[in-house]
Amino acid sequence: EIVLTQSPGTLSLSPGERATLSCRASQSVSSRYLVWYQQKPGQAPRLLIYAASSRATGIPDRFSGSGSGTDFTLTISRLEPEDFAVYYCQQYDNLEYIFGQGTKLEIK
Amino acid sequence: QVQLVQSGAEVKKPGASVKVSCRASGYTFTNYQMHWVRQAPGQGLQWVGIIRPGGVTQYAQRFQGRVTMTRDTSTSTVYMELRSLTSEDTAIYYCAREMDLDYWFDPWGQGTLVTVSS
Repeated sequence: EIVLTQSPGTLSLSPGERATLSCRASQSVSSRYLVWYQQKPGQAPRLLIYAASSRATGIPDRFSGSGSGTDFTLTISRLEPEDFAVYYCQQYDNLEYIFGQGTKLEIK
Repeated sequence: QVQLVQSGAEVKKPGASVKVSCRASGYTFTNYQMHWVRQAPGQGLQWVGIIRPGGVTQYAQRFQGRVTMTRDTSTSTVYMELRSLTSEDTAIYYCAREMDLDYWFDPWGQGTLVTVSS
């Protein structure tokens, strides 16, 4: 079973800064299956990026996804106050859907 | 607009069963499949299973034999029943929509808190 490891566990940044979140798979995965979600406290997850680099409807262009093989990245170009949340990557493998453990993006 | 509305919070005793519902609106129910994902308090997301448009189900290995997903197309509602509950099943359970072969979930229901406690 593929394992997704997200790093760092917690990222402390200030509004206006650039955030780079990593999702590493234990073996190569198709970019088609790599997804990113944002979750704020008390809310359900929200789709941000699908197929590694495609932004979901309504997602601001400061969010971008990249990567292939085993290494994927979510980048937030200039942090807004509403971007501080937990981010999860997800992929599909062998008929199951697997999530990373999450990266908490907190205000410095 | 597309909406997934879930049933309310549940409190169950160890060994009992729980059945959570998710009513869909704003789209053609039979064109999409529905997933269930859970999140234990303070923890990450864990996939439970899927019910496909034709009613075919597929469950995560860890839940095999303990979970059943069903649907009622007349009311655009899907159900997830989890049996033999333990305290480790205490979590928020989310339903989430997927179009076949998209591999992403959008949108998600608001979540249903299931608490297992003696």
